[in-house]
Amino acid sequence: GQQLNQSPQSMFIQEGEDVSMNCTSSSIFNTWLWYKQDPGEGPVLLIALYKAGELTSNGRLTAQFGITRKDSFLNISASIPSDVGIYFCAGQQNYGGSQGNLIFGKGTKLSVKP
Amino acid sequence: NAGVTQTPKFQVLKTGQSMTLQCAQDMNHNSMYWYRQDPGMGLRLIYYSASEGTTDKGEVPNGYNVSRLNKREFSLRLESAAPSQTSVYFCASRGRASTEAFFGQGTRLTVV
Repeated sequence: GQQLNQSPQSMFIQEGEDVSMNCTSSSIFNTWLWYKQDPGEGPVLLIALYKAGELTSNGRLTAQFGITRKDSFLNISASIPSDVGIYFCAGQQNYGGSQGNLIFGKGTKLSVKP
Repeated sequence: NAGVTQTPKFQVLKTGQSMTLQCAQDMNHNSMYWYRQDPGMGLRLIYYSASEGTTDKGEVPNGYNVSRLNKREFSLRLESAAPSQTSVYFCASRGRASTEAFFGQGTRLTVV
């Protein structure tokens, strides 16, 4: 089946640092989404991208839809403790006007540096 | 604003027991989904229902059955639980014209 390769798998952050993560695929996607999951909760949508090359911000978060439509990245600037959690990318393909299902990456776990 | 509600939140089963995980959404969404989340594996689709009256297999359907009871409710049944089904299960829903999927809080299932 289709797979999204998300990296890094985990990272440690210190308050104030910038963070970057990305997703790549061998398939083209029409839509890229970025979700965050807090401990004990379900994933919540952060940013949705609909066009190749699109760059979208949501506060300290910035995400881009790659030109090839096979990749996306998420940047977090000036990280704060509440940024810890698991971040998922998700891609969607459309078939003949119908929505495809979302395919999720394996997640990037952000933790605070000890 | 309930959104997507899952019950129960926690469950421990013995191998071979059966149970049904319940999910209900109050957003009038057409599509509903069941995912399982395992460490290092991300979210894997078990079954989905694109509209009331239809259900389809996802990536990992073996050992599960589903019922789309009406537009609001989509249940997941484990007929004979196995330790490999120990996981966190998430229900999600999506509107016809929307890309965003809304998730419930999850059901943490342990099979011993």
